[in-house]
Amino acid sequence: GNSVTQMEGPVTLSEEAFLTINCTYTATGYPSLFWYVQYPGEGLQLLLKATKADDKGSNKGFEATYRKETTSFHLEKGSVQVSDSAVYFCALSPRTGANSKLTFGKGITLSVRP
Amino acid sequence: GAVVSQHPSRVICKSGTSVKIECRSLDFQATTMFWYRQFPKQSLMLMATSNEGSKATYEQGVEKDKFLINHASLTLSTLTVTSAHPEDSSFYICSASALAGGIQETQYFGPGTRLLVL
Repeated sequence: GNSVTQMEGPVTLSEEAFLTINCTYTATGYPSLFWYVQYPGEGLQLLLKATKADDKGSNKGFEATYRKETTSFHLEKGSVQVSDSAVYFCALSPRTGANSKLTFGKGITLSVRP
Repeated sequence: GAVVSQHPSRVICKSGTSVKIECRSLDFQATTMFWYRQFPKQSLMLMATSNEGSKATYEQGVEKDKFLINHASLTLSTLTVTSAHPEDSSFYICSASALAGGIQETQYFGPGTRLLVL
């Protein structure tokens, strides 16, 4: 079956530090890959996505590249801000068919210090 | 981007009562809506998948008679927690997506409903 593995957390960084959050996946076929962010007490927001190999998703300074050869979708940001403090979930979904379910990683908490 | 709302945002109820949570897609027609449950500091657990006008498909271990799901239109799905008990206290999140050309579009999530059963 499909699975998503995220690096263990939590992660604490100083403001303006470089961020990498690792995500690897196991899936059949060619899934779509996503990063969702959850701020305290809120639902999930789509941060970025990629639907085929070598695609790069980007949003709000965050980037992730769909690497089929390493089955990875690592999230990066060059300079984090305090407002980036949240929980980040990596997820995948089969590209075709109705009712395609999202498979989530466990999530990782990012705390950014001023 | 697509907007999904949930109502109420939080609810406190007595044990034994039923609670209804609404999930609406505000600016698109959702062919499919999903209901998740999230425990503190954990990932989301899919409870059920619903399509407009048909019965919901429940994940293994989720009681369909306890968590009633109705997807009456392309913009509204409801989750009713029947005879709620303290162990049902949780954060419930819905998501909505559209099917276009045989491809499931991105799931957009609601802000969640925090349920506390006393």
